[in-house]
Amino acid sequence: SQTIHQWPATLVQPVGSPLSLECTVEGTSNPNLYWYRQAAGRGLQLLFYSVGIGQISSEVPQNLSASRPQDRQFILSSKKLLLSDSGFYLCAASSGAVETQYFGPGTRLLVL
Amino acid sequence: AQKVTQAQTEISVVEKEDVTLDCVYETRDTTYYLFWYKQPPSGELVFLIRRNSFDEQNEISGRYSWNFQKSTSSFNFTITASQVVDSAVYFCALVSNTGNQFYFGTGTSLTVIP
Repeated sequence: SQTIHQWPATLVQPVGSPLSLECTVEGTSNPNLYWYRQAAGRGLQLLFYSVGIGQISSEVPQNLSASRPQDRQFILSSKKLLLSDSGFYLCAASSGAVETQYFGPGTRLLVL
Repeated sequence: AQKVTQAQTEISVVEKEDVTLDCVYETRDTTYYLFWYKQPPSGELVFLIRRNSFDEQNEISGRYSWNFQKSTSSFNFTITASQVVDSAVYFCALVSNTGNQFYFGTGTSLTVIP
């Protein structure tokens, strides 16, 4: 079975600072990878997904970006954080588009 | 268009009561997959079940059961004899064979009172 790691677990950053969240996957090769954000109110918003190294699809235009430098590594970045970037960020992996997505423990980001 | 509706925002039950969480979905595709996830207070989404559109047989796993009805586009989740550990937010999700992303409902927050 696959295991998804995320770090850091929590992060407090000032407005305008950069961001880098990392997600790594164990136990599977060539996974589909996903970044979600969960703001207050519980809804899950898909931010980015990737079907392979260097292949990133963006679902929501924003000041965030994603990269996949290695098969099982997915990075979420920002050059300048906004207050609205606060939330709970979840990384997920699946073996295909219609297969079960397995989620990491998440990163709680607070932008002040 | 794909859509998942979880009309119940919050539910509270007393321990040992049965509770059903509703999920209604919309899709024009004939092949699709439905999921339920549990999000405990720790935050991580835990996979519970995956069901494809051609399998309408109800599923039971311990105290959990799922009722899939294509006629009403529903995939409801029942917890029998609820326990405090069942307190969590539960999400229903849909992905179709022609799509590349999951559509999640807005979740139902379940509180089981001891």
